Amino acid sequence: DTGVSQDPRHKITKRGQNVTFRCDPISEHNRLYWYRQTLGQGPEFLTYFQNEAQLEKSRLLSDRFSAERPKGSFSTLEIQRTEQGDSAMYLCASSLASSTDTQYFGPGTRLTVL
Amino acid sequence: QKEVEQDPGPLSVPEGAIVSLNCTYSNSAFQYFMWYRQYSRKGPELLMYTYSSGNKEDGRFTAQVDKSSKYISLFIRDSQPSDSATYLCATMMKTSYDKVIFGPGTSLSVIP
Repeated sequence: DTGVSQDPRHKITKRGQNVTFRCDPISEHNRLYWYRQTLGQGPEFLTYFQNEAQLEKSRLLSDRFSAERPKGSFSTLEIQRTEQGDSAMYLCASSLASSTDTQYFGPGTRLTVL
Repeated sequence: QKEVEQDPGPLSVPEGAIVSLNCTYSNSAFQYFMWYRQYSRKGPELLMYTYSSGNKEDGRFTAQVDKSSKYISLFIRDSQPSDSATYLCATMMKTSYDKVIFGPGTSLSVIP
């Protein structure tokens, strides 16, 4: 499978715990995006990487959120001290930078904070 | 006002019907327009991608963009039960990072 993959697909955690999600983009794609989607809404942009550099962060991304892409390949999104309001689907997308290439989405990680 | 608005539905049609899905946007700087299909508990899947005003056809799907009225449409001909999904319209400005802005989605059910 050469698409975007995400792990885990589902995560249930208790409020206050830390969680980490992983995204593996399409191999030749150098742009990687994280979005968050809540029930009945479209995905909302969180952050963007060009290779290993994090170039943009949304105001939605509070200090409890951190994302990395250490070698310009896979990326991780960590949420510290989770809150019930963090419950959502976290989507990763990747694209090429060389054109107005479209973003291809992974299946998402569904987070439930109890 | 949200940047991209859609009627959330749900929309229910019989198999074989023509489906019309609509979307409006507020910022005239948006240059690219997309339709994504999202099945339950899955990530969005790109259906159509257009740049300018006019029509773009791909099989049973036709995307229509009217930049003068900031209006985007998706038509599905001969709808099938497998078309049952949420349809997200999306726009993008050509910036340094190409942030995609999504509408809330329209839920479609095609009844056999």
